[in-house]
Amino acid sequence: DVKVTQSSRYLVKRTGEKVFLECVQDMDHENMFWYRQDPGLGLRLIYFSYDVKMKEKGDIPEGYSVSREKKERFSLILESASTNQTSMYLCASSVPGQGLDIQYFGAGTRLSVL
Amino acid sequence: DAKTTQPTSMDCAEGRAANLPCNHSTISGNEYVYWYRQIHSQGPQYIIHGLKNNETNEMASLIITEDRKSSTLILPHATLRDTAVYYCIVGNYGGSQGNLIFGKGTKLSVKP
Repeated sequence: DVKVTQSSRYLVKRTGEKVFLECVQDMDHENMFWYRQDPGLGLRLIYFSYDVKMKEKGDIPEGYSVSREKKERFSLILESASTNQTSMYLCASSVPGQGLDIQYFGAGTRLSVL
Repeated sequence: DAKTTQPTSMDCAEGRAANLPCNHSTISGNEYVYWYRQIHSQGPQYIIHGLKNNETNEMASLIITEDRKSSTLILPHATLRDTAVYYCIVGNYGGSQGNLIFGKGTKLSVKP
């Protein structure tokens, strides 16, 4: 089974802190994604990576950056956390499908910024 | 990508089949239908996908109408652990263009 592991299930940080969310997948997938999920807004793509050191901005990249130094690891960085970044963060990796990639998600990190 | 319409909620008795409908009347010829679900406080989970033929795997069956304007996800023997929000998604492109657009989905409650 594909395993996507996010380093923390719950995280509490203070405004202005630098926050690192880590994600590791064990299936040698090329593509990895970071989403955030908020009530009423569904999943929104923050960043996408299609290879080591390669990244593309998603729909809401402002206030975030990412790092992919190794194929299996994709990190999301909040440079200076703000209260409006309180959310559920979901990491996914994918295999190319006949149409959309089939995405495999981690359990999520619920981040609270106080 | 085509939009999808799903009922907001459904109930199902444990052990019975759960049939979850999805309308996608503007689907284009090369777009696939995908189903994911999200159990409370967990990440979404891929279930099944198809283009035009019916599909079955160990989790569920997918029935797509001949005109492809609607589909039904069938959980043949629902259990309490199948209580989740089920999302129907249509699309075709991979990579970042294929980022998943989750609508509101159907909240399925399986009751004892």
